[in-house]
Amino acid sequence: GIQVEQSPPDLILQEGANSTLRCNFSDSVNNLQWFHQNPWGQLINLFYIPSGTKQNGRLSATTVATERYSLLYISSSQTTDSGVYFCAVEPFNYGQNFVFGPGTRLSVLP
Amino acid sequence: KAGVTQTPRYLIKTRGQQVTLSCSPISGHRSVSWYQQTPGQGLQFLFEYFSETQRNKGNFPGRFSGRQFSNSRSEMNVSTLELGDSALYLCASRGTGFGEQYFGPGTRLTVT
Repeated sequence: GIQVEQSPPDLILQEGANSTLRCNFSDSVNNLQWFHQNPWGQLINLFYIPSGTKQNGRLSATTVATERYSLLYISSSQTTDSGVYFCAVEPFNYGQNFVFGPGTRLSVLP
Repeated sequence: KAGVTQTPRYLIKTRGQQVTLSCSPISGHRSVSWYQQTPGQGLQFLFEYFSETQRNKGNFPGRFSGRQFSNSRSEMNVSTLELGDSALYLCASRGTGFGEQYFGPGTRLTVT
């Protein structure tokens, strides 16, 4: 099945710093989503981005489907950005549901 | 519009028992998927229901089952609980079975 990798696995930042999280996938995908999991376990939708570039406030994302990767940019990070960020892909070959990457754990220090 | 809801939020069961978890999707959504999250295995897909039919199934034993009702609400059942079933169980819904998924807050199951 499709493989999803995320890097880095852990990231520690000072408040106000910028960061880039990466998601690589091994096969063509229909859908790609980025999520932020808060300390209570809730997965919060950040972007639905099977291709192209989107921005939402301090966050933006780019997916280059032909090269099988997606990037999540966080600018001017805040302590509330801390948590785990997941990339999830839905393979093009229908019959598989969303496959999640292992996540990037972000800690933003005050 | 109300989000995805899951009940109960927390559950403690004993090994060998069975458990039923419930998920109510966003109004109008017909697809419901279930995922298991554990520290060792991460987030893994269990199954997806669309219009009361199981459409996809992940690689889990037959002890894990589910169903969907005509109002799109879904339940998952785990029989003969094992310690390794302790996990956060997440439900997600989407409109037509394609596109963006929205997750509920999860049910945290502890098996003792």
